Amino acid sequence: IAGITQAPTSQILAAGRRMTLRCTQDMRHNAMYWYRQDLGLGLRLIHYSNTAGTTGKGEVPDGYSVSRANTDDFPLTLASAVPSQTSVYFCASSEGGGAGEQFFGPGTRLTVL
Amino acid sequence: GQNIDQPTEMTATEGAIVQINCTYQTSGFNGLFWYQQHAGEAPTFLSYNVLDGLEEKGRFSSFLSRSKGYSYLLLKELQMKDSASYLCAVRDADYKLSFGAGTTVTVRA
Repeated sequence: IAGITQAPTSQILAAGRRMTLRCTQDMRHNAMYWYRQDLGLGLRLIHYSNTAGTTGKGEVPDGYSVSRANTDDFPLTLASAVPSQTSVYFCASSEGGGAGEQFFGPGTRLTVL
Repeated sequence: GQNIDQPTEMTATEGAIVQINCTYQTSGFNGLFWYQQHAGEAPTFLSYNVLDGLEEKGRFSSFLSRSKGYSYLLLKELQMKDSASYLCAVRDADYKLSFGAGTTVTVRA
């Protein structure tokens, strides 16, 4: 692994189903982030974690949850997916608790039908 | 919160110069970033400004005026591979980024 990986690359999901998007980084960065990117709206922060064991809400947290059990992993869970959660999801990380630039994973394209 | 504005689209000719403006209103400023994003790919870091003035990195330069809430990204000697979206992002005191909607630059031969 080099940098940040996300899984799956893409997913089609029925409304009401539970889904976890995975994110793993090997750069030992303290801070990690989840964004969604929608056409015309840019990247919007869903949840973040400044260090393992802590999480915080971003601009659009409703319907999503995260956990940060260790430094490397930061999964994003949709408890009961809805069509409005159709989007491209990017995970990012940065060093120094967020002081450095953010490095982005390749993204997960999620479609909720 | 942050309110970040940048133009939706710009078109320029190969070899030319393009300037992408970004204006912001912020409740706490802790730096401004520019990212490049090619279609279907992840954003990649281009530049960072925290003090007023110009930062130059090869063909790309970024300028910041904190008193005016204004930044621009200057792309010189445009190449076809520069066709992409350019994202302006403002960092707050808690190190969270807020992004503009992005400017799609199309470089024509």
